[in-house]
Amino acid sequence: EVQLVESGGGLVQPGGSLRLSCAASGFTLSSYWMHWVRQVPGKGLVWVSRINSDGSSRNYADSVKGRFTVSRDNAKNTLHLQMNSLRTEDTAVYYCTRESVSVSGVVIPNDYWGPGTLVTVSS
Amino acid sequence: DIQLTQSPSFLSASVGDRVTIACRASHDINNYLAWYQQKPGKAPKLLIYGASTLQIGVPSKFSGSGSGTEFTLTISSLQPEDFAIYYCQQLNSYPLTFGGGTKVEIK
Repeated sequence: EVQLVESGGGLVQPGGSLRLSCAASGFTLSSYWMHWVRQVPGKGLVWVSRINSDGSSRNYADSVKGRFTVSRDNAKNTLHLQMNSLRTEDTAVYYCTRESVSVSGVVIPNDYWGPGTLVTVSS
Repeated sequence: DIQLTQSPSFLSASVGDRVTIACRASHDINNYLAWYQQKPGKAPKLLIYGASTLQIGVPSKFSGSGSGTEFTLTISSLQPEDFAIYYCQQLNSYPLTFGGGTKVEIK
């Protein structure tokens, strides 16, 4: 069974740092691109970042570029999101998601999601 | 960045109704559009990708259509378990973006 489980969320002061992790099981992480998506409680979904299967290519939302870094450890089946210079507006539930490709080569976005981890940035 | 505008943002409907949600993109995104369903306290669930391809395990009462800048999600006969928030997402170009969501509530 495919599972994604995020961890590392919590309360941090503005300007602080936090490292989120996403443990993957039930599939071979090294074969998949992965994403982070966040959601302020009661608000909409916001895409944050994406990393390709071997970690050589990454993309970020403008709002986190230069502050957040996505990485992966395929040997440990783990995805990370290093968040620095945190702002109050970064407060949200952070989800890791998997991107697949169908047998016909079509991208299947976000076919699996973790339950999310809450990050609260507040003094 | 590509903006996605969903309409309506709120929809009140009865069990058995046919419901249609629209998603308009600010630029041509071909058919690189997905639809998700989210229930309270849960992670979103992928319903449709490629604008019209039903994800494995999703009931056929859900259907998607459109290409370019205009897309729709249709629920053929609304059931109690379908009351949720629905989001569209474009995957044509980075940064990937989501629509603002459509909340479907019971009339």
